Amino acid sequence: RKEVEQDPGPFNVPEGATVAFNCTYSNSASQSFFWYRQDCRKEPKLLMSVYSSGNEDGRFTAQLNRASQYISLLIRDSKLSDSATYLCVVLRGYGQNFVFGPGTRLSVLP
Amino acid sequence: DAGVTQSPTHLIKTRGQQVTLRCSPKSGHDTVSWYQQALGQGPQFIFQYYEEEERQRGNFPDRFSGHQFPNYSSELNVNALLLGDSALYLCASSLGRLSTNEKLFFGSGTQLSVL
Repeated sequence: RKEVEQDPGPFNVPEGATVAFNCTYSNSASQSFFWYRQDCRKEPKLLMSVYSSGNEDGRFTAQLNRASQYISLLIRDSKLSDSATYLCVVLRGYGQNFVFGPGTRLSVLP
Repeated sequence: DAGVTQSPTHLIKTRGQQVTLRCSPKSGHDTVSWYQQALGQGPQFIFQYYEEEERQRGNFPDRFSGHQFPNYSSELNVNALLLGDSALYLCASSLGRLSTNEKLFFGSGTQLSVL
């Protein structure tokens, strides 16, 4: 079993739709959690950190459930520019490495 | 504020050859991590350098080695290249000291093709 798993995708949604991505992690000692966005053949870029209290950044909402070891990302009112691969990332602990999930590809269609 | 820079952007090698990739971290960062990303997959952790030493290592063979210099820049070396080494190699920098605000910032990567 991989340490970080994500919905396999791809997700094809129309503009304006709401889409949710799910991620699970197996290392209960993991300290920090993130969502990264990666455009085709480009480097991953930090989208947002994920906190237990949940956090929102415009149309994006991230949630963390430590008990279930589950992370989610919700995108509301999808735009064409949201088309990308979304990577769930976990920091194992201080001085440890970041572990990436396989990514979920999103295509927002006109 | 300079971001993470990597060189070269593209590289073509043949099986059995050796390659060196270079990375300069974001200003103020002291930790460099290297990742390999095959097409359609998430980045896989190769190793991390902090204070000029390899601090963490992923599940990669000894053909993959690295170095960090006093100015925090880093090199990734791959010996005896295999076709399966073809991938995007990403360098990421972060702050190595204990921090609840630790984040990874990536360079634009080196696309390595092994023929």
